[in-house]
Amino acid sequence: DAKTTQPPSMDCAEGRAANLPCNHSTISGNEYVYWYRQIHSQGPQYIIHGLKNNETNEMASLIITEDRKSSTLILPHATLRDTAVYYCIVRASGGGADGLTFGKGTHLIIQP
Amino acid sequence: GAVVSQHPSWVICKSGTSVKIECRSLDFQATTMFWYRQFPKQSLMLMATSNEGSKATYEQGVEKDKFLINHASLTLSTLTVTSAHPEDSSFYICSAEGGTSGVKQFFGPGTRLTVL
Repeated sequence: DAKTTQPPSMDCAEGRAANLPCNHSTISGNEYVYWYRQIHSQGPQYIIHGLKNNETNEMASLIITEDRKSSTLILPHATLRDTAVYYCIVRASGGGADGLTFGKGTHLIIQP
Repeated sequence: GAVVSQHPSWVICKSGTSVKIECRSLDFQATTMFWYRQFPKQSLMLMATSNEGSKATYEQGVEKDKFLINHASLTLSTLTVTSAHPEDSSFYICSAEGGTSGVKQFFGPGTRLTVL
């Protein structure tokens, strides 16, 4: 699976949009971009995933550049409960028997 | 989203004893389950992958005789840490995929193991 690069930490004010970047310049054509987050001492939570089109769900939006070498996760109105480590992961299509390779992620801190 | 449970949520045991951790997919049938380990201030590391009815596949460096995995049904996988030692103290997390979850892995809440 392709490697991802994320900033180690970010701050965001409560109520503002949090934009978390991820670089995945070696992504292959059949690899999806997944985002998970982990709140302290809990299991990771699935947020969103996409291939090349932008995606939106009740939690977040995912913007993938046209060349697919980078993406941005957007939390539109951040709350204190969004403080967590956010992981950007690329994975071959279909999932199948592949576990997820977690990098160091971005520690997002929402400030009151 | 789909729900995955783990039991127990935390366990303390003496060195040399064995500990079993259960992982259940509550509302979907998981064709594949995964076990991860997370040490303090580190990221999750994949330990093994198990498919229902077949032997687990272990990642390099993970001792299969020490970490016994059983995936007897489409909703249950167990991890047994045999002859546990203090260095096995960690946060163990399972995930499940398949059926109505599609290609998304859903994670359990984790089990905190402390070996004295």
